[in-house]
Amino acid sequence: SQQGEEDPQALSIQEGENATMNCSYKTSINNLQWYRQNSGRGLVHLILIRSNEREKHSGRLRVTLDTSKKSSSLLITASRAADTASYFCATDGSNDYKLSFGAGTTVTVRA
Amino acid sequence: EAEVAQSPRYKITEKSQAVAFWCDPISGHATLYWYRQILGQGPELLVQFQDESVVDDSQLPKDRFSAERLKGVDSTLKIQPAELGDSAMYLCASSLVGLNTGELFFGEGSRLTVL
Repeated sequence: SQQGEEDPQALSIQEGENATMNCSYKTSINNLQWYRQNSGRGLVHLILIRSNEREKHSGRLRVTLDTSKKSSSLLITASRAADTASYFCATDGSNDYKLSFGAGTTVTVRA
Repeated sequence: EAEVAQSPRYKITEKSQAVAFWCDPISGHATLYWYRQILGQGPELLVQFQDESVVDDSQLPKDRFSAERLKGVDSTLKIQPAELGDSAMYLCASSLVGLNTGELFFGEGSRLTVL
């Protein structure tokens, strides 16, 4: 079973626009991670945010975490065609430390 | 840059045949994971090793799947016999720290098609 659920399932934006996707989870966590997957390839780690953090930045990425709502958001600013990919959130439960992935958000950046 | 190596990249087999996937993690990474990813879904953990020991294989269909990491380095995932529903991407990942508290490094995956 998958703990995280991403929303929306798919997103299409124009190059230069911002892309925002959300992740909701069910049980308390130690940390939450975001990964990117280009079509037919492996996953690449983007950013990790710990349960005691509220916001984190990495380049054009901004991640927020609201543990009271059990949700996180990933913002990609000034999107590029190379950002076209699927994005997954992954959480590890504070009880079992098992890393569970959501079903992902597919982002298409139009040139 | 160090990478997780997987082979083969693609495998087509007929149902009831045996298949095997190999993974070589990043040197020094004690934790190794095998995930299965069905098209359109997120990865699902099949088995997790800490060195040569299995930490979690609760989602591994043990009647047909087996995994080993004999020397605590590279690993093999086997399916015998393969079924149509096994068609998926099999992803190997490794991490420096255990207990899923850190970044996972993924290989490019092995795409299995069962006919």
